Amino acid sequence: DQQVKQNSPSLSVQEGRISILNCDYTNSMFDYFLWYKKYPAEGPTFLISISSIKDKNEDGRFTVFLNKSAKHLSLHIVPSQPGDSAVYFCAARITGNQFYFGTGTSLTVIP
Amino acid sequence: DVKVTQSSRYLVKRTGEKVFLECVQDMDHENMFWYRQDPGLGLRLIYFSYDVKMKEKGDIPEGYSVSREKKERFSLILESASTNQTSMYLCASSLRVTNEKLFFGSGTQLSVL
Repeated sequence: DQQVKQNSPSLSVQEGRISILNCDYTNSMFDYFLWYKKYPAEGPTFLISISSIKDKNEDGRFTVFLNKSAKHLSLHIVPSQPGDSAVYFCAARITGNQFYFGTGTSLTVIP
Repeated sequence: DVKVTQSSRYLVKRTGEKVFLECVQDMDHENMFWYRQDPGLGLRLIYFSYDVKMKEKGDIPEGYSVSREKKERFSLILESASTNQTSMYLCASSLRVTNEKLFFGSGTQLSVL
């Protein structure tokens, strides 16, 4: 049973615009959330994280929002660049436990 | 720079062969993980290890085993490879205390014919 879900398999955005990637989870015990970025034939690389005690975390062009009541996580990329084209995975963790990953969203930024 | 190294980028094996996938990390991490990535299914955890000689089953351990004889090395073993084990295999590691971030290797694309 998928505890972390990314319902959009793909997303296309114009360069310079905002990209919004969404993630939903079912387990209210998750206390830490992450986003990973993956290029073809490479391993995922860490992008940004957020603890459940926060509702927003920013790092440059990347912002992650957490809505605990809705069990919803989103990643905003502003402005989007062609180099951001990749597959994005969200992940969630219970303290001391394993990470659960979503199915991924393939982002294409059109020049 | 931190590094997780997987021994092969591409591997082609025959059905029924025993397959070894090797992973080495140089970060002195206690935790090590094996995932497989399949289209539409995301990353699924096969096995993980919190310490030398320790192992725990993940969500899809059937058909796999692991070995952790040294802290830096975590091996995934396919006892008798089958076509449904064709996949991208990803090794990862993390610090035990914080366990806040997984560091991944580049992956091994395994094809079982």
